[in-house]
Amino acid sequence: EVHLVESGGGLIQPGGSLRLSCAASGITVRNSYLSWVRQAPGKGLEWVSLIYTDGSILYSESVRGRFSISRDNSKNTLNLQMNSLRAEDTAVYYCARGTGINWSFDYWGQGTLVTVSS
Amino acid sequence: QSVLTQPPSVSAAPGQKVTISCSGSSSNIGNHYVSWYQQLPGTAPKLLIYDNNKRPSGIPDRFSDSKSGTSATLDITGLQTADEADYYCGTWDSTLSGVVFGGGTKLTVL
Repeated sequence: EVHLVESGGGLIQPGGSLRLSCAASGITVRNSYLSWVRQAPGKGLEWVSLIYTDGSILYSESVRGRFSISRDNSKNTLNLQMNSLRAEDTAVYYCARGTGINWSFDYWGQGTLVTVSS
Repeated sequence: QSVLTQPPSVSAAPGQKVTISCSGSSSNIGNHYVSWYQQLPGTAPKLLIYDNNKRPSGIPDRFSDSKSGTSATLDITGLQTADEADYYCGTWDSTLSGVVFGGGTKLTVL
């Protein structure tokens, strides 16, 4: 059974940095398409970043240059380093596994809340 | 403002059928399969449909989708009160080189 468990969220001041982790079980991160998707309070889903099995990486325009996705194969975790945080980055951050032809997400974590506020 | 356009809300009575639309463009829906997700309050989204009407294990065939040009629709038949949730469409966008979602549709089962 696949489980994704996010951690690392919290309250951070604007301009600060935070590192999220997603611990995977039932899958190997090295062999999985993985992504971060966020959801601002009361709002819809917004894709953030993804990493292919070959290590190729893509970011949404809203976070490019500030966020960095990576995976730790030894710990079987997916990470998201978030720098220069802004109020608009406040959201629940989900890690999700990609499947299918066009990046559908079949497994999701429970999410971790990031609040950017002074 | 979302790349894909969904109605904010739809409603129908138990046992009835409801259709949720998702409108996009040639760079997304027009050339890529659409996925549909159900999100119950306080929970993570759940994949309902992907890759041209495929359903993950456990998703009943009351849920189905279709596509025409740059629009897609999710049909839910035999509505149940448990179907009350937010529904999102999503797909790949070739121009943006990323995944895009609709703004979500809140389904109320009256």
